[in-house]
Amino acid sequence: EPEVTQTPSHQVTQMGQEVILRCVPISNHLYFYWYRQILGQKVEFLVSFYNNEISEKSEIFDDQFSVERPDGSNFTLKIRSTKLEDSAMYFCASGVLAGGERTQYFGPGTRLLVL
Amino acid sequence: AQTVTQSQPEMSVQEAETVTLSCTYDTSESNYYLFWYKQPPSRQMILVIRQEAYKQQNATENRFSVNFQKAAKSFSLKISDSQLGDTAMYFCAFNSFYGQNFVFGPGTRLSVLP
Repeated sequence: EPEVTQTPSHQVTQMGQEVILRCVPISNHLYFYWYRQILGQKVEFLVSFYNNEISEKSEIFDDQFSVERPDGSNFTLKIRSTKLEDSAMYFCASGVLAGGERTQYFGPGTRLLVL
Repeated sequence: AQTVTQSQPEMSVQEAETVTLSCTYDTSESNYYLFWYKQPPSRQMILVIRQEAYKQQNATENRFSVNFQKAAKSFSLKISDSQLGDTAMYFCAFNSFYGQNFVFGPGTRLSVLP
C-alpha cells in the first residue's frame, strides 16, 4: 500500500540555522500538507499546497517558513532561521481532495530539535 | 473558527472489552467531514475511520464504529473487542467542506490492559 515518507526521521539543529524537511507524498495525490505537533500538544495545521502554490496557510506559517515541490515527487518544508520554539514533530500529509474524498494520509514525521 | 474537544485525556480498557472515546466540535457549517486518527508510539498517524456530515448512517470499520450526533455536534468512537495493539493516542479531526486544513482535538491516550 502506498505511503507518505519523510526524511530525516530526526534532526537536531542550532538556533538560527536553516533546516529543510523532506516528504514524498503518495504518487497520485494532488494536495500536500504540513502539520506540526509540539510535544504534548495538539497537531496544528501549517500549510496546504496544490498546483505548485500555497492554497491555505495558518498564522503559524510566517515568513520564516516556505514550501516547495522541487520535482515530481518531493515536497519540502524549509525553516529559514530556526527558533527554540520550532522544536516539534513535523508531519507531512497528502490527499486526493476529489469526489468527496477528504482523507489526508500522514507520514511518520520528522522530529526537529532546535538547541 | 472550528474547535474540536476531546474531554478524556486518558482512558484504559481491558483487552477484549469495549471502550468509547468522546469528541465534540463546534462549527456553524452544515457540511463537513470528521475523522478519527490513531497515533501509536511509533508516532505515525493512521486513519481509523471517517464520516461525512451529510450521511446519517454511522460509519463502521471492523471493530471501530462511530456515533455521529450532528445536532449535538458529537462524534464518538467505539472500539469493540479491544486489542493490545489499539494502545495509542487517538485524535478526532474536523475538516470543513470549504477548507483543506484539518482541525485536531487534543487527543485521548488509550491504554489497553492485558
